[in-house]
Formats: sequence, C-alpha cells, structure tokens
Amino acid sequence: DIQMTQSPSSLSASVGDRVTITCRASQSISTYLNWYQQKPGKAPKLLIYAASSLQGGVPSRFSGSGSGTDFTLTISSLQPADFATYYCQHCYSPPFTFGPGTKVDIK
Amino acid sequence: EVQLLESGGGLVQPGGSLRLSCAASGFTFSSYAMSWVRQAPGKGLEWVSAISGSDGSTYYADSVKGRFTISRDNSKNTLYLQMSSLRVEDTAVYHCAKDLAGAGYFDYWGQGTLVTVSS
Repeated sequence: DIQMTQSPSSLSASVGDRVTITCRASQSISTYLNWYQQKPGKAPKLLIYAASSLQGGVPSRFSGSGSGTDFTLTISSLQPADFATYYCQHCYSPPFTFGPGTKVDIK
Repeated sequence: EVQLLESGGGLVQPGGSLRLSCAASGFTFSSYAMSWVRQAPGKGLEWVSAISGSDGSTYYADSVKGRFTISRDNSKNTLYLQMSSLRVEDTAVYHCAKDLAGAGYFDYWGQGTLVTVSS
C-alpha cells in the first residue's frame, strides 16, 4: 500500500503570509493527489484534485503542484478562514490513503 | 443541492455489529462511486471503503477487510456500511463521501455519524 507523509505537522502563520505544505508518497503516484481542508467539527472540503486542479468555488490563493512522489499545497496569502487542518490523499489505486495532516494556526 | 446524511451510529460492544446508512440526494446517485472515510477522535482521516457506481466493485482498507461490507441500493439512493467484529479502534466518526469522477477524490461529504466501540 502507498503511504503518505506530510510536513510540517503543524505551523503557525500570520494573516497575509505565504504558506507551503509538503506531501510525499512512498511510491510514484503521477498526479493522483488531492488536498482537503478540515475545520474542527466539520467535514473535509476538497480544495485541489489531480495535484493542481482547483475545485470549483475554492479561492485562487490555493494552488497545488507536483508529480511523482513530491507535492505541495500553497496558500499565497493566508486569510482568517484558512486556519484549519490540511490533508493530502492519493487516489492512484485503492486503498486511498490520507496523509497525517498539517494544522495551520494563528501566530 | 447535494446532500449526504449518515445514520446508524451508536455505542456497541467489542465484537458487535452495526450498519451505517448514507442517504443521498441532489445528484444521480447511481452514476457515482461512493466511499466511507472515518476519523477517530482527535486523529486524522482514514479511508475505509469504496464502491463503484456502475458495476458495484468494492474496495477496502486492510484494517477493515473481512469485517466490513460496503453496499448500495441505487433505487433508494442509499449507501451502506455493514460493520461486524467491531474493535475499540473502530471508534470514529464515519463520513460518507461522493466521488467526483470515479477517480478517488471526494467533492461532497456528509457530516458523519459517531460509532463508539466500548464495553
């Protein structure tokens, strides 16, 4: 099975900061990589699919890149609504493993 | 408007069984693959199982294989997860999720139903 790791596990940032989260797969998954945002007590929200495609309704300050084993989620200018936990997930083949998450909180 | 509403969670003893349901509306249910994803208290997301929209192919995480069974009734727009031989470590909020394109990414999620396995 493909394992996913994320770094950092948490970060503190200020409104307006550029934030980058990294996700790594244990084997090449091409661009079969998705990103979700989750706020406490809420269901996850799809942000990016296929590594770099922005889901409808998601602000353009979110972007994704990468292929193979290394991927990044970038928030170009952090907004108050962006403080949350972010998960990557591969969809190369079942089981569709999630990464352990990156919590973004207020500095 | 797409809606996914889970039900069936509750408290069950180790070794027991439970069936979760997910009632779907606002889209052509039979056309989409569906998944169950769980989240233990204070922990991350864990994909549990998926079922295709068309041929009913099913897939499971190793942690639940042989104990859980995913199914769907397209006439009732409902997804199910039959859970048996439950373990303490199965305690979690279970979400159903709609697969955007049958490719393993989930554009709509239900709010989840809590399953607690405890004696």
